[in-house]
Amino acid sequence: DAKTTQPNSMESNEEEPVHLPCNHSTISGTDYIHWYRQLPSQGPEYVIHGLTSNVNNRMASLAIAEDRKSSTLILHRATLRDAAVYYCILIKAAGNKLTFGGGTRVLVKP
Amino acid sequence: GAVVSQHPSWVICKSGTSVKIECRSLDFQATTMFWYRQFPKQSLMLMATSNEGSKATYEQGVEKDKFLINHASLTLSTLTVTSAHPEDSSFYICSTDRRNIQYFGAGTRLSVL
Repeated sequence: DAKTTQPNSMESNEEEPVHLPCNHSTISGTDYIHWYRQLPSQGPEYVIHGLTSNVNNRMASLAIAEDRKSSTLILHRATLRDAAVYYCILIKAAGNKLTFGGGTRVLVKP
Repeated sequence: GAVVSQHPSWVICKSGTSVKIECRSLDFQATTMFWYRQFPKQSLMLMATSNEGSKATYEQGVEKDKFLINHASLTLSTLTVTSAHPEDSSFYICSTDRRNIQYFGAGTRLSVL
């Protein structure tokens, strides 16, 4: 499986945007870019995913580089409830297992 | 609402006993479920892939005789930690895929005394 690299942690102020980078230089053409987050003492939850084009949903936006070797998850207005570990994961197809890296721990300051 | 239900959310047991964790898909059929383990301040590690009607596929280093997986129906997979020891204390999480999105259970925190 192609590997992803994320910063260990990031801090943000409440109500400000958060940009979470993810490098995946060995991504293949069939890899989807998925983002999940894990709040303390909970199972992970889906945030967003994409293949080539930028994506938006009610939780976040996903900006994918033109060469697909990197992507950025954007939380437009961070709230205290967004404090979590965010995982960037590459998945080849539906039903495939997920391989979790270290993720980025996001701290939101009031 | 929840797509995957995991039970129990928390269990304490004595060393040497067995503990069963259930993972149910709600309102849809899950032919494949995944079981993860997470130690404090670490990431999730895949333990095994549970396949309905067939044997589970275990990741390297995971003892299949210690972590018994049963996926007897399309909506239920169970993980049994047999003869649990304190080093098995961890956060166990199940997941399944629906329409190219992974849905996770809330997790089971196991403490072995």
